[in-house]
Amino acid sequence: KAGVTQTPRYLIKTRGQQVTLSCSPISGHRSVSWYQQTPGQGLQFLFEYFSETQRNKGNFPGRFSGRQFSNSRSEMNVSTLELGDSALYLCASNRDGDQETQYFGPGTRLLVL
Amino acid sequence: GENVEQHPSTLSVQEGDSAVIKCTYSDSASNYFPWYKQELGKRPQLIIDIRSNVGEKKDQRIAVTLNKTAKHFSLHITETQPEDSAVYFCAASMDQPGNQFYFGTGTSLTVIP
Repeated sequence: KAGVTQTPRYLIKTRGQQVTLSCSPISGHRSVSWYQQTPGQGLQFLFEYFSETQRNKGNFPGRFSGRQFSNSRSEMNVSTLELGDSALYLCASNRDGDQETQYFGPGTRLLVL
Repeated sequence: GENVEQHPSTLSVQEGDSAVIKCTYSDSASNYFPWYKQELGKRPQLIIDIRSNVGEKKDQRIAVTLNKTAKHFSLHITETQPEDSAVYFCAASMDQPGNQFYFGTGTSLTVIP
């Protein structure tokens, strides 16, 4: 099976812009979670989608949003980018969600100038 | 919400020695504890996990122990090898819909040949 894929891999934006990141889970996986990874902060949970529904959300401002499509692919959007949004954004998938092994994608490295 | 603390943040050991990384969690409802290894520039990958009904689990040179009373769990790597050099993350989750994992801030392990 192909692994979790994310596009784009690298992105440079300026403050105030918005960005959309994409994640394609492993075939058959219906749960997709998103994480922000920054040095010193580790991985911080953004949100999780299962069967096109957001089931859980972390403590991030409303500028961070996401969605999931019927084929389980997911997108996350960050509006009005701030310098502090520079990070590696990782998505992870598993079959049914709860407490199963998560398989991570390679991440999208976002740099906000 | 859950808070996971991880120590040490950096660890250097001689090849062949053992390495121990410790994590504590705050919410007694957490019952699943995976450990991830992230090599430089790569995605996090699950190396071992433990559920709260088990006190210890081993997989070759890697073992994880869990003390539910004290709310801490540890990763033990024996006979370390240079390829063990990576950042290790612990995580905790509860048995609830939404698949939210709380991660520690990571331990950068360097194995000196």
